[in-house]
Amino acid sequence: SAVISQKPSRDICQRGTSLTIQCQVDSQVTMMFWYRQQPGQSLTLIATANQGSEATYESGFVIDKFPISRPNLTFSTLTVSNMSPEDSSIYLCSVVDGSNQPQHFGDGTRLSIL
Amino acid sequence: KQEVTQIPAALSVPEGENLVLNCSFTDSAIYNLQWFRQDPGKGLTSLLLIQSSQREQTSGRLNASLDKSSGRSTLYIAASQPGDSATYLCAPPGGKLQFGAGTQVVVTP
Repeated sequence: SAVISQKPSRDICQRGTSLTIQCQVDSQVTMMFWYRQQPGQSLTLIATANQGSEATYESGFVIDKFPISRPNLTFSTLTVSNMSPEDSSIYLCSVVDGSNQPQHFGDGTRLSIL
Repeated sequence: KQEVTQIPAALSVPEGENLVLNCSFTDSAIYNLQWFRQDPGKGLTSLLLIQSSQREQTSGRLNASLDKSSGRSTLYIAASQPGDSATYLCAPPGGKLQFGAGTQVVVTP
């Protein structure tokens, strides 16, 4: 299965700043996704990262707040912009290579905003 | 929109007991279903993927069944161990996974 590296693994940030999270996969994959897991909650899909084009966002998430890039089939970034304490969550990258293949997750980025 | 429900929400058993975790989903037009475990503060680890053409999938002590017609999947963990303590999540895949709240499992020595 694909090996997914997410950086940073954790960070503590000041209110109003932005942080970019990187997701690197060791092989080319069809689809990449970004999820958020708020404290004590299950996972919520933020967006699908599309290679070479704008990401597709789920209801409640907007590009200005969560800009996403995917320049190739092995790499994507998620930026959390103008952070507030409500953005304190674990952010997870996931990948799947084909419609009948299992989806795999990175270890996540634990983000705390002061 | 797919709704996923997992029962029970939490489960605590002594070591050696078998575990039964239930997952139900509203949209039966799925073509597979995936089970994950999540350790505290960590990402998700894929356990099993059941294709819609299958009724069961086994990996070691884990066995998952899928009944599309009733919108249910069950994960069985045989002879539980303390290392099985985690939150277990199910999701009908296809890219945009919709997760339930999960079942938090504690196995006591």
